Amino acid sequence: QKEVEQNSGPLSVPEGAIASLNCTYSDRGSQSFFWYRQYSGKSPELIMSIYSNGDKEDGRFTAQLNKASQYVSLLIRDSQPSDSATYLCAVRSGGYQKVTFGTGTKLQVIP
Amino acid sequence: DGGITQSPKYLFRKEGQNVTLSCEQNLNHDAMYWYRQDPGQGLRLIYYSQIVNDFQKGDIAEGYSVSREKKESFPLTVTSAQKNPTAFYLCASSIGQGYQPQHFGDGTRLSIL
Repeated sequence: QKEVEQNSGPLSVPEGAIASLNCTYSDRGSQSFFWYRQYSGKSPELIMSIYSNGDKEDGRFTAQLNKASQYVSLLIRDSQPSDSATYLCAVRSGGYQKVTFGTGTKLQVIP
Repeated sequence: DGGITQSPKYLFRKEGQNVTLSCEQNLNHDAMYWYRQDPGQGLRLIYYSQIVNDFQKGDIAEGYSVSREKKESFPLTVTSAQKNPTAFYLCASSIGQGYQPQHFGDGTRLSIL
């Protein structure tokens, strides 16, 4: 079982719709959860951090964390073509603060 | 502006050659990391350092070496022992304490000649 799992996609949504990206993780001791956006050929860019159960909103982005079920999700409201990218889920566990990345979900927003 | 600078942006390696990738940060971050990304794969940790003069191997350290002589700098050497070095290399840093996220440089793309 992979430590952090994401559906590779592509996930296609029409412009203006809500995009829902999901991530599951295996380490119950995980403490911090991050979503990064990566455009093709570019480096990852942090878009959301979440540390406690529930929802966290930042503009059009909402991160949701459920530690009991070991999943974290990212909702993008009013999706724009500029949101088309690969979204990486990252999970930080204890110890030396290792961060494990999923393989990413490719999102395509269709105009 | 504070940030992480990686150089060069593109690098080519000849057979049997060692090459060094530079990573400099002016964010005053304690922790620094090197990742490798291959097409269709996630980021894999090569080495990390939490303080100056100390570093640990990540998941795929074989064929790589690092140093951390200054807080701001964490160069990565890809040695000739790394038989499949073609990849996108990413340097990251974080405050190091607590739950803070990592921030990335722009990356170096390494290819074999």
